[in-house]
Amino acid sequence: EPEVTQTPSHQVTQMGQEVILRCVPISNHLYFYWYRQILGQKVEFLVSFYNNEISEKSEIFDDQFSVERPDGSNFTLKIRSTKLEDSAMYFCASSGDYNEQFFGPGTRLTVL
Amino acid sequence: SQQGEEDPQALSIQEGENATMNCSYKTSINNLQWYRQNSGRGLVHLILIRSNEREKHSGRLRVTLDTSKKSSSLLITASRAADTASYFCVSVRTQGGSEKLVFGKGTKLTVNP
Repeated sequence: EPEVTQTPSHQVTQMGQEVILRCVPISNHLYFYWYRQILGQKVEFLVSFYNNEISEKSEIFDDQFSVERPDGSNFTLKIRSTKLEDSAMYFCASSGDYNEQFFGPGTRLTVL
Repeated sequence: SQQGEEDPQALSIQEGENATMNCSYKTSINNLQWYRQNSGRGLVHLILIRSNEREKHSGRLRVTLDTSKKSSSLLITASRAADTASYFCVSVRTQGGSEKLVFGKGTKLTVNP
């Protein structure tokens, strides 16, 4: 069964460093999403992406964040200058046309 | 209260018992979904109920939706120890061609063997 994959599973970085989280969505899906979950808190929507552009973003998704689909398979989330409060689990998801979103296993980001 | 509040926040039952979790949401929805998450792991989609449906079954899961009360419930029958996880109610609204998921805080279910 096709699934969303994410790499790395765990990323440790120093405050102020740039990180890129990678996702490979399900191949025939058209909509792509990033969510984050700070430890012990709700899963929060960050951004949705369709047709090579952002379709919606939350207040969390400020200028430090960017997304890209550099080729036909990868979907990346970049955080330019990480802060301690960016430490969280980041989930990528993809969906077909108005169907359920399939989530990846997540990348745990730890900012020291 | 916040969007997608689950009730109870934590539930502990014995194997074989039924578990019922409730959820409320605030905005209009296209559908409502329930996800589970094992501790520190990924999110697994369980069931989707559309806004024009009132009840849906999938295996040991039964979901109800009352759009007039903006509430939903998830029933897990004949629970097993492996059902131990956090369960999230997720309201879904279609906006700008994509779907926006709003997660609740979740119910932490513990099924004791």
